Amino acid sequence: GAVVSQHPSRVICKSGTSVKIECRSLDFQATTMFWYRQFPKQSLMLMATSNEGSKATYEQGVEKDKFLINHASLTLSTLTVTSAHPEDSSFYICSARDTGFWGEQYFGPGTRLTVT
Amino acid sequence: DAKTTQPNSMESNEEEPVHLPCNHSTISGTDYIHWYRQLPSQGPEYVIHGLTSNVNNRMASLAIAEDRKSSTLILHRATLRDAAVYYCILRLFGNEKLTFGTGTRLTIIP
Repeated sequence: GAVVSQHPSRVICKSGTSVKIECRSLDFQATTMFWYRQFPKQSLMLMATSNEGSKATYEQGVEKDKFLINHASLTLSTLTVTSAHPEDSSFYICSARDTGFWGEQYFGPGTRLTVT
Repeated sequence: DAKTTQPNSMESNEEEPVHLPCNHSTISGTDYIHWYRQLPSQGPEYVIHGLTSNVNNRMASLAIAEDRKSSTLILHRATLRDAAVYYCILRLFGNEKLTFGTGTRLTIIP
């Protein structure tokens, strides 16, 4: 089946620093990738939709200057949390949509970000 | 977006069938019914999807009511590894987005 990886799986950073999270589709090409955030005991919230070679589309309330998304190739999208603060601590999950007729979404294993 | 309603939690005994209900009374004719599940500390995993007819795959079965206002995900023989949060999601054909609700937390009792 389709596999999506994320790196790192877990990261701890100091307040004010930036953190980059990578999302890769390993065995398929993904023209569209999605970034979600999940706080403890809550559901997934879509942050942005990323299309290869173009600017990401952010959901309402998500700061585009804080959460920088780059989708440089058909297999890689990155999310950079800039000037991270403790309230950015969360579980960040990406998904990749395959290019088939239906275009099912396949999710990565998630990245646990802790900002101290 | 049409919304779904699921019970917050359910329990089932190991090796028994599990029926997870989902109500979607405002579903439109072009909404597909998707089910995903999320194991602890992992990303969601696709389970099954359907439009009108019942669907079967290696993981589960999806039973869709004739009026499409409700559906049931059926795990035929639950194992401890099926303990997860199960999300019922309506996806408009051609719309890439998935909107996750609160889901049903399924606990499997050994």
